[in-house]
Amino acid sequence: QSVLTQPPSVSGGPGQKVTISCSGGTSDIGDNYVSWYQHFPGAVPRLLIYDNDKRPSGISDRFSGSKSGTSATLVIAGLQAGDEADYYCGTWDSRLSAGVFGGGTKVTV
Amino acid sequence: EVQLVESGGGFVQPGGSLRLSCVASGFSFSTYWIHWFRLAPGKGLLWVSRIRYDGRVTNYADFVKGRFTLSRDNAKNTVYLQMNSLRAEDSAVYFCARDLHIVATDFWGQGTRVTVSS
Repeated sequence: QSVLTQPPSVSGGPGQKVTISCSGGTSDIGDNYVSWYQHFPGAVPRLLIYDNDKRPSGISDRFSGSKSGTSATLVIAGLQAGDEADYYCGTWDSRLSAGVFGGGTKVTV
Repeated sequence: EVQLVESGGGFVQPGGSLRLSCVASGFSFSTYWIHWFRLAPGKGLLWVSRIRYDGRVTNYADFVKGRFTLSRDNAKNTVYLQMNSLRAEDSAVYFCARDLHIVATDFWGQGTRVTVSS
C-alpha cells in the first residue's frame, strides 16, 4: 500500500483538462516539496513537476502542479492522445527519512 | 551529455544477492546525490534509496532497509546497490537517477531488470 494516495485512473476528452490528486500527511506532503512523474510503459519515467509547481526545461506548460497542506494536484490542460500514461506523485517523508510515492494514476484520453 | 548506465541485474533465487552498478558520465558526479528507483508491473514507481555526493549519507525505503546497501566510488563515477536477502517482491526494473531536489531527478538510466524466483 502506497504512502501517498492517488486515484487509480482519470479520463478526459481531447482538449479537456484533467486533475490528479495526491493525498498525504503532515510528515510527507505537509512537510516537503512534491514532484510528479510521467511514465509510458516500457520507457523511463520523466519528471514533469518538481518543488510543487516548477517545470523542468522542455516540459509543456499544459502540465501544472500545486500543493496545499497535505495534498498536491497535477493538472493536465489541453489533453492530448500522447498524454495517455501513468502519473506518479512523490515526496520526502521526514519521519521515515525516505522518499515516498503514490500508487500512480492512469490517464486515459 | 549526461548519461547513467545501470548493470548487474539478472535472475536470482530467493535469499540470494545481486550488486547493481550505475556508471555516470557527462557531469560532475562527485557533487550530486544519486537515487535508485524501481518499477514493477502492478506495483508502480517506488523510491528505493539515495546516497549523498560524498557517500557519507544514505537513506533507504523501509522495504529494503537492512537488506540493501548503497555505496559510491567517486573516482570511478559509479554507485553500487548491494542487494541481499532478495525476495520475490524485489523483482523489478531498477533505475538510478541524478538528483535535482528531494525526490525530483532529472536524468535516469535505462534500467536493469532483477528477477527473483525459484
